Amino acid sequence: DAGITQSPRHKVTETGTPVTLRCHQTENHRYMYWYRQDPGHGLRLIHYSYGVKDTDKGEVSDGYSVSRSKTEDFLLTLESATSSQTSVYFCAISEPGQPNTEAFFGQGTRLTVV
Amino acid sequence: QQQVKQSPQSLIVQKGGIPIINCAYENTAFDYFPWYQQFPGKGPALLIAIRPDVSEKKEGRFTISFNKSAKQFSLHIMDSQPGDSATYFCAASKGAQKLVFGQGTRLTINP
Repeated sequence: DAGITQSPRHKVTETGTPVTLRCHQTENHRYMYWYRQDPGHGLRLIHYSYGVKDTDKGEVSDGYSVSRSKTEDFLLTLESATSSQTSVYFCAISEPGQPNTEAFFGQGTRLTVV
Repeated sequence: QQQVKQSPQSLIVQKGGIPIINCAYENTAFDYFPWYQQFPGKGPALLIAIRPDVSEKKEGRFTISFNKSAKQFSLHIMDSQPGDSATYFCAASKGAQKLVFGQGTRLTINP
């Protein structure tokens, strides 16, 4: 398995509170991604990073922010959690330019906003 | 806007049958089409991927068929086994970055 660790694995939080999810990689891959998985929607890209301090928005970025101060860490912050952000969040990594590049996914974080 | 549409949403097949999952995409700039397999409580894992310069790719019991003119691709699982029961996602991207996923198919293989 690719060296990706997501923390926490499970979290229950109250509406209106800030929440930060962490993704840590040991593969030195340049690209890191945050996806959310919801029934009927597959996985949708929230934000991604293509290098330290280089980030960009994905398809469903409203209400989320990210930061990447080191190659190995990519943080996802829900600024003020809402019930619509109850989901399973996956971090992924990839390294561009390789012949058989693929995205490796972490184990996921199940977030419940009550 | 759903750029990658996947069907069916769920599929039940007897052991030894050949489940087929279909995907259609809209963006003609896409040049990388992977399939991911996900077991409960786990993250998705790459199963097989194809680029548009070929019409078919096989890896073991898994085959991708690709129709560039129709903007469609499909996954076939030969001699399916109960251990293949999982959720399958198709995806597409340009340059293998920023994958856009289909909605997923929950596959059940009955013994």
